[in-house]
Amino acid sequence: GAVVSQHPSRVICKSGTSVKIECRSLDFQATTMFWYRQFPKQSLMLMATSNEGSKATYEQGVEKDKFLINHASLTLSTLTVTSAHPEDSSFYICSARGEGGGYTFGSGTRLTVV
Amino acid sequence: DAKTTQPPSMDCAEGRAANLPCNHSTISGNEYVYWYRQIHSQGPQYIIHGLKNNETNEMASLIITEDRKSSTLILPHATLRDTAVYYCIVSPAGGNTPLVFGKGTRLSVIA
Repeated sequence: GAVVSQHPSRVICKSGTSVKIECRSLDFQATTMFWYRQFPKQSLMLMATSNEGSKATYEQGVEKDKFLINHASLTLSTLTVTSAHPEDSSFYICSARGEGGGYTFGSGTRLTVV
Repeated sequence: DAKTTQPPSMDCAEGRAANLPCNHSTISGNEYVYWYRQIHSQGPQYIIHGLKNNETNEMASLIITEDRKSSTLILPHATLRDTAVYYCIVSPAGGNTPLVFGKGTRLSVIA
């Protein structure tokens, strides 16, 4: 089946630094990828929709200058958390829709900002 | 906003069937019912999806009512590894609409 590889699985960074999270579709082409974040004991919240070769679409309340999304190829989308602060600590998850119509999720990235 | 309503939590004895209900009374004709589950600190895992007919795969069965306003996910023989949060989501069949997650049901399988 479709596989989405997400890295890193865990990252700890200092406040004020930037962190990049990568998501790769391994056996299919993903023209669109979705980025979510999840705070403890809460559900997944959609942050943005990433389209290959064009600008991402951000959900209301998500700062596009803080969460930079790049979808330069049909198999790779990246999310960069810029100038990270402790309140950005969260579980970030990507997802892509495969050719069969199903949605596949990455394994998630646990970001801790200290 | 999520278009589904699920009980916040359920318990199930190991080896018994787990029946997880979901209400989606405002579902549109072109929307499928998807079920995913999330084990702690992992990404959501696909379980099953359907439009109007009942569906079965190696993981579970999906029963959709005739009016499509509700559905039930059945795990026929629950194991401890099935302990997770289960999400019922409705979404259009085509295009690139993201899945919108509600709060889900936290299923605890008890030995």
